[in-house]
Amino acid sequence: DAGVIQSPRHEVTEMGQEVTLRCKPISGHNSLFWYRQTMMRGLELLIYFNNNVPIDDSGMPEDRFSAKMPNASFSTLKIQPSEPRDSAVYFCASRYEGSVSGYTFGSGTRLTVV
Amino acid sequence: KQEVTQIPAALSVPEGENLVLNCSFTDSAIYNLQWFRQDPGKGLTSLLLIQSSQREQTSGRLNASLDKSSGRSTLYIAASQPGDSATYLCARPPAFSGGYNKLIFGAGTRLAVHP
Repeated sequence: DAGVIQSPRHEVTEMGQEVTLRCKPISGHNSLFWYRQTMMRGLELLIYFNNNVPIDDSGMPEDRFSAKMPNASFSTLKIQPSEPRDSAVYFCASRYEGSVSGYTFGSGTRLTVV
Repeated sequence: KQEVTQIPAALSVPEGENLVLNCSFTDSAIYNLQWFRQDPGKGLTSLLLIQSSQREQTSGRLNASLDKSSGRSTLYIAASQPGDSATYLCARPPAFSGGYNKLIFGAGTRLAVHP
């Protein structure tokens, strides 16, 4: 298995532009999580899906952020419009809910908004 | 508020030392606790997962323990090597979550092992 795959690895964009981050979870995993990591706040959960349905989006900072999971093998996190304070590393993780296994993280997308 | 605290924030040791990283958590109603490693600029790699019914897990030179009554977990690294240099994070699901959904992370311990 190739693990959790995120793209792009790095993204540099100008303030006000739309940014879309992508994630492919591990095949067979039914839960998907989007986390954000910053020096100041560490790792924070933004949203998670179970069986493609958003379960908890309380961590989404504001309406500029949205996430979708149209099918079991793909999810997107969109920021529109982007702001410099959105600069962070965004991680996607997946697991199979109902098992005793842990979480598998992707390599992350480093976003820089200038 | 449920929190996960890791002490120390940073640690520098000479190669070969045995060392212990600490993780403490509020609320003993814990389902499991997971230790991760993060290399600079990289993602998180799962090291060990301890279920609430377990007291410890071992993988190679790593041993993680869980003491629910005291709200502590420790990660023991034997015979440390320069390649162990990384940030180590512990994380747990919220209490009463059924052990699922989100993880609450500690801030991590940044380990440097020098030759």
